[in-house]
Amino acid sequence: QSALTQPASVSGSPGQSITISCTGTSSDVGSYNFVSWYQQHPGKAPKLMIYEGSKRPSGVSNRFSGSKSGNTASLTISGLQAEDEADYYCCSYAGSSTLVFGGGTKVTVL
Amino acid sequence: QVQLQESGPGLVKPSETLSLTCTVSRGSISSSSYYWGWIRQPPGKGLEWIGTIYYSGSTYYNPSLKSRVTISVDTSKNQFSLKLNSVTAADTAVYYCASPFDTSGYYYEYWGQGTLVTVSS
Repeated sequence: QSALTQPASVSGSPGQSITISCTGTSSDVGSYNFVSWYQQHPGKAPKLMIYEGSKRPSGVSNRFSGSKSGNTASLTISGLQAEDEADYYCCSYAGSSTLVFGGGTKVTVL
Repeated sequence: QVQLQESGPGLVKPSETLSLTCTVSRGSISSSSYYWGWIRQPPGKGLEWIGTIYYSGSTYYNPSLKSRVTISVDTSKNQFSLKLNSVTAADTAVYYCASPFDTSGYYYEYWGQGTLVTVSS
């Protein structure tokens, strides 16, 4: 069970859209539609932003959207805002009731 | 909303056992058919899933930690616990307990504030 692969950093200007990729394998992302995304600000606990690949929990801005194609899941943040600057982690079900996280992506708002 | 609080020693010696407890408030571990989880984050690094426990006691662990991890639940105290034995410096991390978002056990909605455990002699 290896960590999912995410870019170390992604940046964008306010108002722009950015996309974070999360690449797994046919044993995790590719086989299940149970991908989630978490946002983590420095010194804080993670916050669930997307579940089941593309669903948003109540209270999460619709500027956040998720998708999946093959072994790669993606998180898109549209209308980038200063408060979106944080670390983002993907997470996938990996079979046998186990989960695997990605290495994390630091989003910088220029 | 559910609140979680991790507790336990902040310093553990190499080769010893790390023990943490997560106390759940404003919610009941036993009244929900949910999975409760432990996740850790080494300083400056990413999240790592440690394992999960069903309220009835069934457990599931990260294969890379399975030989050293035990997660248990005490429904009478509304707590669940983590034990990690034979620790090394690589186990130094902030340890989080988390409550499930739904009955699947695949997502975590509420998290504790996290507790830093340092492995050092």
